Amino acid sequence: QKEVEQNSGPLSVPEGAIASLNCTYSDRGSQSFFWYRQYSGKSPELIMSIYSNGDKEDGRFTAQLNKASQYVSLLIRDSQPSDSATYLCAVKAAGNKLTFGGGTRVLVKP
Amino acid sequence: SAVISQKPSRDICQRGTSLTIQCQVDSQVTMMFWYRQQPGQSLTLIATANQGSEATYESGFVIDKFPISRPNLTFSTLTVSNMSPEDSSIYLCSVEYRDNEQYFGPGTRLTVT
Repeated sequence: QKEVEQNSGPLSVPEGAIASLNCTYSDRGSQSFFWYRQYSGKSPELIMSIYSNGDKEDGRFTAQLNKASQYVSLLIRDSQPSDSATYLCAVKAAGNKLTFGGGTRVLVKP
Repeated sequence: SAVISQKPSRDICQRGTSLTIQCQVDSQVTMMFWYRQQPGQSLTLIATANQGSEATYESGFVIDKFPISRPNLTFSTLTVSNMSPEDSSIYLCSVEYRDNEQYFGPGTRLTVT
């Protein structure tokens, strides 16, 4: 069974610190990797996509991919209270189907 | 990214009835999907809505329970049939847009009593 695993949290982070979120996946054929942010009562919002090994930076967000270790991570620098949300890791293998992890709840404390 | 709308945004329904959820996109898209998010859970793909042909359902989901229509490249409906309290969930449509990225509609919050 193809799985995507995340620590459910909550990950408690002081304001201004770096939040580090991890995700592992089981399907070695996975090609595309995404991070979504979901505020309570809202739908998921795409914040990062990454397709090749290494780092990809976008503003305060950095996605890191290591296909050999089947591992993708998300760093949030200078965390703000507005970053408090659930972060969903999603993985796409061949075809168009996304498989989601269970999500990590992040709590940024002022 | 595409602008995606869903109707209704929420509804409370009695068991045994059916509800049809609409998803409208402001531009033509090839791929549209329907997901379910049960309370406190992550997203589970119900089916891929194919334009001009029958939807492709994931394991555990059947056409009789979740019939889907996709009459054109901007619109799709999902019907939740013969509802039970276990169908209480958020139902989300998504579209694949701009090379491989999926974007979600605002969701429909369904409560079955």
